[in-house]
Amino acid sequence: GDSVTQMEGPVTLSEEAFLTINCTYTATGYPSLFWYVQYPGEGLQLLLKATKADDKGSNKGFEATYRKETTSFHLEKGSVQVSDSAVYFCALRSNSGYALNFGKGTSLLVTP
Amino acid sequence: DAMVIQNPRYQVTQFGKPVTLSCSQTLNHNVMYWYQQKSSQAPKLLFHYYDKDFNNEADTPDNFQSRRPNTSFCFLDIRSPGLGDAAMYLCATSSNRGGNTEAFFGQGTRLTVV
Repeated sequence: GDSVTQMEGPVTLSEEAFLTINCTYTATGYPSLFWYVQYPGEGLQLLLKATKADDKGSNKGFEATYRKETTSFHLEKGSVQVSDSAVYFCALRSNSGYALNFGKGTSLLVTP
Repeated sequence: DAMVIQNPRYQVTQFGKPVTLSCSQTLNHNVMYWYQQKSSQAPKLLFHYYDKDFNNEADTPDNFQSRRPNTSFCFLDIRSPGLGDAAMYLCATSSNRGGNTEAFFGQGTRLTVV
């Protein structure tokens, strides 16, 4: 079945450091890929998405590129801020279904 | 603003006492989902409605039920909560079938079982 694998956390970075959170997936066909962010005690918010190979999703300085050849959708940000501290979930939706299939999440802590 | 609203944000219930969580949406989306998220884990899909059609995940316990009286509202009923049901419950919506439509989430209801 479809699945998403994320790098284990927690990730701790200093403010203005470069961020990469790895995400790879297993799916048949061409799924859509998403990054969601969850702040403490809150629900999930869509951060960015990509619906086909080579698409780049971007939002709030975060970027991720849909790589079909490596089945990856790594999240990057050039300069993180303390306010980026949260849990980040990579997710996919297959073409044959509706529901999102989530990775286990990666906790990010940014220190001043 | 159009959104997904869950009530209450925090719910405390007694072991074995039925409890209902509610979700409403102003997005007019035809698909609504309920996810369970335990501490430090990924959200796990319990079931979803596509319009009025109910779709249960194979591993969702019978203790969990859902109702969708109209497009805007969806309820999660836990018939006899156990300590293991303590979790964050997330409601989400999406517009229709299709891989390029994201889900919109509510803020969640944190359920505590005492």
